[in-house]
Amino acid sequence: AIQMTQSPSSLSASVGDRVTIACRASQGIRNDLGWYQQKPGKAPKLLIYAASSLQSGVPSRFSGSGSGTDFTLTISSLQPEDFATYYCLQDNKYPYTFGQGTKLEIK
Amino acid sequence: DVQLVQSGAEVKNPGESLKISCQGSGYSFTSYWIGWVRQMPGKGLEWMGIIYPADSDTKYSPAFQGQVTISADKSIGTAYLQWSSLKASDTAMYYCTRPNYISGFFHGFDLWGQGTVVTVSS
Repeated sequence: AIQMTQSPSSLSASVGDRVTIACRASQGIRNDLGWYQQKPGKAPKLLIYAASSLQSGVPSRFSGSGSGTDFTLTISSLQPEDFATYYCLQDNKYPYTFGQGTKLEIK
Repeated sequence: DVQLVQSGAEVKNPGESLKISCQGSGYSFTSYWIGWVRQMPGKGLEWMGIIYPADSDTKYSPAFQGQVTISADKSIGTAYLQWSSLKASDTAMYYCTRPNYISGFFHGFDLWGQGTVVTVSS
């Protein structure tokens, strides 16, 4: 199975900061990667698909980049509602696999 | 509305069997795969497997192969996740999810059920 290594596992930041979360695949996955946001007690929410395409309704401060094995999610200016846990998910090959998650906390 | 509605919380004893459900509505149920995701208490998301309801083609993650059964009844637009003998370690939240396709291209898993909490305890 393709392993997804996500970093960092946790991150403290302030409102207005720019933050970047990374995900590395154990083998090339083209651009078959999505980013998901999860808040406590809620189902995950799709932010980015195909590595860099913004899901409809998601604020433009979220962006994704990368191809092959290395990917990043960037939040350009953190808002209070962005404090949550973020996951990458590769959908290139079964079994699909998630990264371990990045918990974004308020500094 | 397009939605996935999951069955309610379950409390079971170890060794018991269980089948939880995920009903799709507002779209053509047989045209989209349905995936299952586990989240153990305080832990991350784990991909369990996925089923195509039109023909029941199912792909399991190795960690869950033989531990659970994923099925679907296309006549009632419902997917299932079942256990024949629960363990305490099956205690978790379980989500179903559906991908979006536009012009035949995959656009991520944009539709999620509300989750089903399964508690296994003696």
